Formats: sequence, structure tokens, C-alpha cells
Amino acid sequence: DAGVTQSPTHLIKTRGQQVTLRCSPKSGHDTVSWYQQALGQGPQFIFQYYEEEERQRGNFPDRFSGHQFPNYSSELNVNALLLGDSALYLCASSFLLEQFFGPGTRLTVL
Amino acid sequence: ELKVEQNPLFLSMQEGKNYTIYCNYSTTSDRLYWYRQDPGKSLESLFVLLSNGAVKQEGRLMASLDTKARLSTLHITAAVHDLSATYFCAVDSREANNLFFGTGTRLTVIP
Repeated sequence: DAGVTQSPTHLIKTRGQQVTLRCSPKSGHDTVSWYQQALGQGPQFIFQYYEEEERQRGNFPDRFSGHQFPNYSSELNVNALLLGDSALYLCASSFLLEQFFGPGTRLTVL
Repeated sequence: ELKVEQNPLFLSMQEGKNYTIYCNYSTTSDRLYWYRQDPGKSLESLFVLLSNGAVKQEGRLMASLDTKARLSTLHITAAVHDLSATYFCAVDSREANNLFFGTGTRLTVIP
């Protein structure tokens, strides 16, 4: 079992650009959640997808959007990037309860 | 919004010593998680505590949950250098399965 995978590992963008991050869940998991972790802080919940629908959303602006595909993989899109969007973006997959985290994508906005 | 507080934020301890990290949360939750994070890495699940009075142990780490006090503890016994990392507690609300994380405790074990 490959566990939760994310791509890319690192990404550098400039302000105003758009970015797409990808996540493949652990085998057998149907729910994907996305978290943003700024340097030195705990992860903050962005949103959660289940059955290709956004089920829960945290306190993030509409610039953050997502998608879940029929194979349960997911994308996180961020438009009009700001310097403050620089962070580690973590994807977590789950089936019923415990969430398992992927290795993360480090996004740097210059 | 559910709030989670950890203390201490920073902990420097000598090898062989014992210490406890505390995690308080603001509203009713029956599910408490502990994670470990090494610098630049993702989160590794340590413990899942699902009921009042739950206690779990793995090696030199032991976690407990008191839902009435809204308190969880992570006890470190005879610390070793390999335990140096940041430790997070997290809870999820009864209504949703999204996690609310504490601020983290950065543990440094000094030889």
C-alpha cells in the first residue's frame, strides 16, 4: 500500500499566479481533507471532499477551491496567490475515522 | 469554533528525564489524536483516543484522555534524542470529521 501521495513536493510561484496541488488517497479511503500549515504553526483545515462533493469547509477564502475525482483522488486549487499562502499543504485521507497524512507540498510564493 | 491549546510550546529536556505535554480543548469531543512531526516532514499518527479514560502506550510515550476535563496528556518516560520532534494534539467535533490542531510542542532532547 503506497499510503497517501501528493504532488508536487515543492513549488515556487509568484504573487497573482494560480496553483494546483494533487493528492491520491490511501487505498480503500473515500474521504480527502486538505490542511494548510504555515511555518511554526499547527495545520489549519481548508476543506474536505467526500463522494466528489465538498462536505466541510474551514475559514478560507473562495480563492481556495478543490475537486474530488471518481477514483477519490483530489486537487486543491489556489487562485491569485498571496505571499501569505506560502505554507506546507497537507492532504489527509480517511475511511470513517482516523486521518492519514501525505508528505505534503511545500508552496513558496515570491 | 473548537479551540485546542497545548503547553508547553517549547520543551528542552535531558535524556533520561520524564515530562508531560498537556492538551486542552474548548468544546465537547470524544476523539483526540496525537501526531508527531519531524522538521520539514508530514504528520505521523501516534495515538487515537476514543473514550473517556482511554490510555495508550507505545514505547516511551503514553497518552491519556479525560473528556470531562477536556484534557489529554502525552507523557514521555526516560527521554531519548530520537524523540526530538514537534508533537501536536488534535480533536474533531462530533458534527464533523475535520481536525482542529493545537499549537504544537517542540521537544528537544539534550544528550
